[in-house]
Amino acid sequence: NAGVTQTPKFQVLKTGQSMTLQCAQDMNHNSMYWYRQDPGMGLRLIYYSASEGTTDKGEVPNGYNVSRLNKREFSLRLESAAPSQTSVYFCASSDGTYWEQYFGPGTRLTVT
Amino acid sequence: SQQGEEDPQALSIQEGENATMNCSYKTSINNLQWYRQNSGRGLVHLILIRSNEREKHSGRLRVTLDTSKKSSSLLITASRAADTASYFCATAGAGSYQLTFGKGTKLSVIP
Repeated sequence: NAGVTQTPKFQVLKTGQSMTLQCAQDMNHNSMYWYRQDPGMGLRLIYYSASEGTTDKGEVPNGYNVSRLNKREFSLRLESAAPSQTSVYFCASSDGTYWEQYFGPGTRLTVT
Repeated sequence: SQQGEEDPQALSIQEGENATMNCSYKTSINNLQWYRQNSGRGLVHLILIRSNEREKHSGRLRVTLDTSKKSSSLLITASRAADTASYFCATAGAGSYQLTFGKGTKLSVIP
């Protein structure tokens, strides 16, 4: 039972490049989330998927897109990376929208 | 915008002492949760307290919630060096699908 897995663990991009961050959970959770964490800022919600087939914007969605591929997988895409997107990205899942969330280990992204 | 705000931002104590951190929030909530993050790792859920509860315990953790003051506190008793981490409160708003995190309290427990 791996919980929430994220790939890759580290990534360096040049400005303007694109990439997709992958997230998968094996807990049969309905809801999945993408956050970014910047120093001194706590976690900010980028996008979430309350259930399979739905996605919604969070607090900071600009510059990102998401896909809920199936119940297990939720990907985050940066179409044209910018230095302001340098951050640590966390994926999380939960059994319901009010319940505790389970987090992946994070992806450390640097955009130069 | 951040809903929960933790206080203090940083706390340093000796092993064996108790650690208390506070969280304030602004709008009505369904529940409030506390998470721990070890350096370089993902967050780990510690405890959830519902809006109709006033106090909850889990091992060495005690959480209180005062909805009239829109505040919560997390008490860690008999702290250990392994408790060194950042602690975040997060609120689940009534009628909202989002969990909103504060900026965290960085706890250092000195052996």
